[in-house]
Amino acid sequence: DAKTTQPPSMDCAEGRAANLPCNHSTISGNEYVYWYRQIHSQGPQYIIHGLKNNETNEMASLIITEDRKSSTLILPHATLRDTAVYYCIVRVGSYSGGGADGLTFGKGTHLIIQP
Amino acid sequence: DAGITQSPRHKVTETGTPVTLRCHQTENHRYMYWYRQDPGHGLRLIHYSYGVKDTDKGEVSDGYSVSRSKTEDFLLTLESATSSQTSVYFCAIMASGRGNEQFFGPGTRLTVL
Repeated sequence: DAKTTQPPSMDCAEGRAANLPCNHSTISGNEYVYWYRQIHSQGPQYIIHGLKNNETNEMASLIITEDRKSSTLILPHATLRDTAVYYCIVRVGSYSGGGADGLTFGKGTHLIIQP
Repeated sequence: DAGITQSPRHKVTETGTPVTLRCHQTENHRYMYWYRQDPGHGLRLIHYSYGVKDTDKGEVSDGYSVSRSKTEDFLLTLESATSSQTSVYFCAIMASGRGNEQFFGPGTRLTVL
């Protein structure tokens, strides 16, 4: 799996959009970008994933650059409950016949939402 | 929560004793995983299973064994617990399909004295 780089921590004001960056300059053509988050002492929670197109679901939006070397997770209206560690993970998706082994978690970004 | 439960949720045990943690899922997923999480480390894969009786080792498998005799249950056993195995253990399933996203259980906090 390709390596990812994330800032260790970020602050965001409640109600504002939180934009979390991730660099993955060695990403391969068959690797997807996944985002998970972990709220204190809970199990990680899947947020969103994408290959090359931008994606949006009820939780967040994922913007992937055209060269796929970086991406941004956007929480459009952050709340205090969004305070968590956010992990960006790059790995092969099922379309490529892989991705059944475990996830590799780095240290992630600790996002703190300020009231 | 993808129907994942873990038991026990908390356990304190002594060095040298055997410990078994259970992961139970209700949605018939083929793939199941055990991770551990320690301060200063992200989650690390211990073992995973790709079907009944089919398992494979992960990054930190030494000192652990697993079994999967039914689709819904994945057991993690510490044959002789050591203090270095004090950790929070998470089970996960993979939702097979386009994204292969994983969904995690609530965790088991294990303390080995």
